[in-house]
Amino acid sequence: DTEVTQTPKHLVMGMTNKKSLKCEQHMGHRAMYWYKQKAKKPPELMFVYSYEKLSINESVPSRFSPECPNSSLLNLHLHALQPEDSALYLCASSQDGRGDTQYFGPGTRLTVL
Amino acid sequence: GNSVTQMEGPVTLSEEAFLTINCTYTATGYPSLFWYVQYPGEGLQLLLKATKADDKGSNKGFEATYRKETTSFHLEKGSVQVSDSAVYFCALRVPSGGSNYKLTFGKGTLLTVNP
Repeated sequence: DTEVTQTPKHLVMGMTNKKSLKCEQHMGHRAMYWYKQKAKKPPELMFVYSYEKLSINESVPSRFSPECPNSSLLNLHLHALQPEDSALYLCASSQDGRGDTQYFGPGTRLTVL
Repeated sequence: GNSVTQMEGPVTLSEEAFLTINCTYTATGYPSLFWYVQYPGEGLQLLLKATKADDKGSNKGFEATYRKETTSFHLEKGSVQVSDSAVYFCALRVPSGGSNYKLTFGKGTLLTVNP
């Protein structure tokens, strides 16, 4: 099973709202990732967690706050977003930091009004 | 640095036509190479991969061969179906001495297959 699940599938929020995106995998992977994808573009890496510790932050604004409560879960907390943050947010996982293959979830389509 | 160049789309084919999507790369070190597919409104799915020179990745009738001499990883399928309509991303990852997490993607190629 190579399934990564993400909830919600769609999210609409105002600029003053606080919301969270959730990602889950049960493959025993120890590295998890958040990507942002704008229309007709490839995914852009935002954050990497390895063994539940934040390893990479690709200079993402502080209005995005990641959290890894355990090895199976990854959250992305959203606060005071801008309309330009509207995008597809993808979660991925791999076996570990040296794991070759990243497996992606279906994504959360975020619209910021 | 690392980079991936894939042919610009969109590519439009008739059902049962032969497909080639070109992908070339530049990398420091010895990359692993991937093709991901993204169907409309969905996330990325791993289509196939190759981890060393001359390896051939294959899945669902798609194939790609890791050519170190030409730094290429072209995607091919002998007979496309309407259901193959999607965006295809070529990507690479260079394992380093420590951990290297970053996937480098090409810009993506939109394939449309008409009945």
